[in-house]
Amino acid sequence: DQQVKQNSPSLSVQEGRISILNCDYTNSMFDYFLWYKKYPAEGPTFLISISSIKDKNEDGRFTVFLNKSAKHLSLHIVPSQPGDSAVYFCAASAGASGTYKYIFGTGTRLKVLA
Amino acid sequence: DVKVTQSSRYLVKRTGEKVFLECVQDMDHENMFWYRQDPGLGLRLIYFSYDVKMKEKGDIPEGYSVSREKKERFSLILESASTNQTSMYLCASSFVRGRIGYTFGSGTRLTVV
Repeated sequence: DQQVKQNSPSLSVQEGRISILNCDYTNSMFDYFLWYKKYPAEGPTFLISISSIKDKNEDGRFTVFLNKSAKHLSLHIVPSQPGDSAVYFCAASAGASGTYKYIFGTGTRLKVLA
Repeated sequence: DVKVTQSSRYLVKRTGEKVFLECVQDMDHENMFWYRQDPGLGLRLIYFSYDVKMKEKGDIPEGYSVSREKKERFSLILESASTNQTSMYLCASSFVRGRIGYTFGSGTRLTVV
């Protein structure tokens, strides 16, 4: 049972436009969410996070939105750049478990076209 | 610069061999994790450890074991490698408390022939 889902395996966007990557989750106990970015042959690197007490968090060109009622989060990249081309994973954890173990989605491959 | 170091970037092993993947972190993290990444399947947790000599099974532990004799080192062992264990293996670490997520190593691309 996939608790964290990224239903779009790939996305192509023109340079300068907005990229929107989506993530859905099923476990209502999840209260902290992360986005990671992964280039080929490298480990994932942390991008941005959001706590369930917020509905938005911004860091430069990256904004994450959380809709708890819909159990949905999205990552917006504006403007998109060719260097953003990578696989993006969302991850969720339930703090009540005490272990902060993260469940990862299957990833979305973003390709930004120059 | 803090880091998680995986001993090999690329490995090629034969079916039936015993394979050791090593991971070392220098951040004094309590938690360490082993994931594998496969296309369309994302990151799947194999094993994790919250402390020295402690281990817990993740979602796909079959065919694997782990060892954590020292806080900074977490080893993944393929007891008898099979072709379906060809994958990218990622080690990660984190503090027990706090929500800053994991620091990942660069990964080991293992091919079993």
